[in-house]
Amino acid sequence: DAGVTQSPTHLIKTRGQQVTLRCSPISGHKSVSWYQQVLGQGPQFIFQYYEKEERGRGNFPDRFSARQFPNYSSELNVNALLLGDSALYLCASSRAETYEQYFGPGTRLTVT
Amino acid sequence: DAKTTQPNSMESNEEEPVHLPCNHSTISGTDYIHWYRQLPSQGPEYVIHGLTSNVNNRMASLAIAEDRKSSTLILHRATLRDAAVYYCILRDPLFGGSNYKLTFGKGTLLTVNP
Repeated sequence: DAGVTQSPTHLIKTRGQQVTLRCSPISGHKSVSWYQQVLGQGPQFIFQYYEKEERGRGNFPDRFSARQFPNYSSELNVNALLLGDSALYLCASSRAETYEQYFGPGTRLTVT
Repeated sequence: DAKTTQPNSMESNEEEPVHLPCNHSTISGTDYIHWYRQLPSQGPEYVIHGLTSNVNNRMASLAIAEDRKSSTLILHRATLRDAAVYYCILRDPLFGGSNYKLTFGKGTLLTVNP
C-alpha cells in the first residue's frame, strides 16, 4: 500500500506570500494531522482533522488554516509568510482510536 | 510542552544492544507511552507503544517501570540504519477524547558506530 504522500517536496516563497501544501493519507485513514518541524527541534502540532472536521489546533496564528476533503486528503494554507515559517511541514494520517500515526516525507518550505 | 525527558544523545556500536531511557514522572493512569523515530531526511516513524506491561515487536522492545514513571526502548542489535532521533511521547487527547495529538520533545539522537 502507498504511504502518506505530500506535495510539493520543496518550495521557496517570499515573505508576505501565501502557500498551500497538500497531503494524501493512507487509504482507509480518515484522520490527518499537520506538524511543523524547524531545524533542530521535534515536530510541533498544528492541526488535526477527522471526517472533515477540525479536531484540534496547536498554538499557531490564524495565518495557518487547513481543510480536509471528502476523499480525506488535506491542504494546509499559510498566509502572509514570515521568515520564521521556514520549516519542514509534516502530514500524518491515522485511523481514529488507534495508536500509530503514519508520517509523510514532508514539504520543505523556505521563506526568503 | 513535552511531558517526557530524554538524554540529548547516545552512542552505540553496531550489533550491540541499545537502551534508550525516558522519564515521564507526571504520567497519568491512562497515558500510553509511545516511541517514534526519525531517520535523517524522513518523517517520523512509529516504533512501539505500551501502557503497563513490557511490549515487543519486530523493531524493538519497550520496558516500562512498575511505577510507570520511566521507560526504556531497547534495540536488541543496533544497525547503522537505526541511527536516528528517537522520541518518547505521551499522547495528548483532542476534542471528543478519541483523537490524539503527538507532543514531541527534542528526542535522543542515536549514533551507531560501525
